[in-house]
Amino acid sequence: GDSVTQTEGPVTVSESESLIINCTYSATSIAYPNLFWYVRYPGEGLQLLLKVITAGQKGSSRGFEATYNKETTSFHLQKASVQESDSAVYYCALGDPPNTNKVVFGTGTRLQVLP
Amino acid sequence: GALVYQYPRRTICKSGTSMRMECQAVGFQATSVAWYRQSPQKTFELIALSTVNSAIKYEQNFTQEKFPISHPNLSFSSMTVLNAYLEDRGLYLCGARVTANSDYTFGSGTRLLVI
Repeated sequence: GDSVTQTEGPVTVSESESLIINCTYSATSIAYPNLFWYVRYPGEGLQLLLKVITAGQKGSSRGFEATYNKETTSFHLQKASVQESDSAVYYCALGDPPNTNKVVFGTGTRLQVLP
Repeated sequence: GALVYQYPRRTICKSGTSMRMECQAVGFQATSVAWYRQSPQKTFELIALSTVNSAIKYEQNFTQEKFPISHPNLSFSSMTVLNAYLEDRGLYLCGARVTANSDYTFGSGTRLLVI
């Protein structure tokens, strides 16, 4: 079946440092899955951070970026300079187009940014 | 904007009893609703996908007999955990979307503790 593997947390970085959270996927039934990063801030629901549906493209939001790499089946999340408010749990996920009936999530990576 | 509310936010039930949780879509028509569960130390697993005017589709390892779902209109869905036991504890997440091509909007989840 389809699966997503991401950096095991918790990840702790200091404010203004750079961040990378690794994500690789295995899509056995889908040639070109849609790829997502979701974020869950403390006490809040799951929010879509960014999404990329085309291989080779980069998505960005709130200073975060991720590039859809079909060759390495990766979708790593990066940010050049993190802020304390970025502390949250980040989930990498994939969905099958055009009917994204099922979103397959990774295990989540808890990020703690120290002031 | 599109929002999804889930209630209760957290609940405790005695082993062997049942617990009903609700999901309310605000600002859009929830044609499809997906229910997920995140068990401790695990990622989100899809329980079932409900589409208005269609049969509810349950994933492997989840059944209607255990997790009956109601989706009576385009703004509301509920799911009951029947005869809850320790392995049913976790965070239950509801995601709703307008069409098969649109992204899910997720709620904050209902955290279930079974004692």
